[in-house]
Amino acid sequence: EVHLVESGGGLVQPGRSLRLSCAASGFTFGDYAMHWVRQAPGKGLEWVSGISWNSGSTGYADSVKGRFTISRDNAKNSLYLQMNSLRAEDTASYYCAKGGSSSGIAGAFDIWGQGTMVTVSS
Amino acid sequence: QLVLTQSPSASASLGASVKLTCTLSSGHSNYGIAWHQQRPEKGPRYLMRLNGDGSHSKGDGIPDRFSGSSSGAERYLTISSLQSEDEADYYCQTWGTGIQVFGGGTKLTVL
Repeated sequence: EVHLVESGGGLVQPGRSLRLSCAASGFTFGDYAMHWVRQAPGKGLEWVSGISWNSGSTGYADSVKGRFTISRDNAKNSLYLQMNSLRAEDTASYYCAKGGSSSGIAGAFDIWGQGTMVTVSS
Repeated sequence: QLVLTQSPSASASLGASVKLTCTLSSGHSNYGIAWHQQRPEKGPRYLMRLNGDGSHSKGDGIPDRFSGSSSGAERYLTISSLQSEDEADYYCQTWGTGIQVFGGGTKLTVL
């Protein structure tokens, strides 16, 4: 069975850092682009970042560019999101999602994790 | 600019059908999209990928009651024989070079 399990969320002060992880199972992780999507309380889905199967291409939402870094370790079937200089507006549930198998970060998200909550507050 | 537009809300009666709309921005009318369902207090769930020609491929376990269609820049999700469990937020998603975009979502109420 295909699974994505996020971890690493929690309460963090503004300006501090946090690293999220996503463990994948049930599919050939290294064949697919992967993404992070967030949802602030009571709001809609917002794409945060994506990375191609071989880490050759990455993309970021303007709201996180320069502060967040996406990475992956195909040997460990894991996806990461390093979040620096966190702000109150980064408070959200963060979801890991499986993307397409083409080059780049294009494609539909066909598997979602259950999410991990990040709260940025003093 | 690649933008998806959805109506904020929709409603239909139990057992009836409903058609949700997602509109692609000008210049992007041939783009494919995906539909996702998010039930209250749950994570999103992939429903289907929908191409510009109306062909679609559904996710595993998605009932036949869910179908997709396209017309010009509009992409539709039709849910027939509505059940109470279909009450949820529905999001469309599309992609360009180096970016991914979500619509604002439609909250479906089953009466």
